[in-house]
Amino acid sequence: KAGVTQTPRYLIKTRGQQVTLSCSPISGHRSVSWYQQTPGQGLQFLFEYFSETQRNKGNFPGRFSGRQFSNSRSEMNVSTLELGDSALYLCASSLDLRTASGNTIYFGEGSWLTVV
Amino acid sequence: GESVGLHLPTLSVQEGDNSIINCAYSNSASDYFIWYKQESGKGPQFIIDIRSNMDKRQGQRVTVLLNKTVKHLSLQIAATQPGDSAVYFCAENRNTGGFKTIFGAGTRLFVKA
Repeated sequence: KAGVTQTPRYLIKTRGQQVTLSCSPISGHRSVSWYQQTPGQGLQFLFEYFSETQRNKGNFPGRFSGRQFSNSRSEMNVSTLELGDSALYLCASSLDLRTASGNTIYFGEGSWLTVV
Repeated sequence: GESVGLHLPTLSVQEGDNSIINCAYSNSASDYFIWYKQESGKGPQFIIDIRSNMDKRQGQRVTVLLNKTVKHLSLQIAATQPGDSAVYFCAENRNTGGFKTIFGAGTRLFVKA
């Protein structure tokens, strides 16, 4: 079974631009979460989607947004990029079986974003 | 606020020795915990999990121990190998009206040859 797939793996953008990152979850997984990871920082939760609806949201500005499609694939968008947005953006998916263990999240390899 | 934290930011062990990575959590209602391993340039990889109704769970060369009395979690790696060098995160699944996975800050494990 294929894992979580994220594209692109690496990208460079300039300040003020916007970027869209894509995530394909593990087949059968209905929940998709996004995390930001910067050097020296832990995994900062961005948001979580289930059935095309955002269920949870972290403490990030409105420049960060996302969506989920009917096939569970998800995208996240960052507008008006800032230097501080340079990070590894990780997507994770889970079965979401309404039990804690059924919500174990599995990560993709991430998208490395550099803002110059 | 509530958090899942780690006792040590870095750990250095000799190849072949056992490693112990510790984690503290503050939400006594949490009922499921997971350990992840993140190698350089990669996404976190699931290692092992444990439910709150268990004290110990073993995998291949790894053991997770849960002490609910003091809200402490540990990951033990037997016969540590160079390939074990990575950052290890403990995580907790909480029911916040939808389950949410809360991560600790991470511990970097260095394995000396």
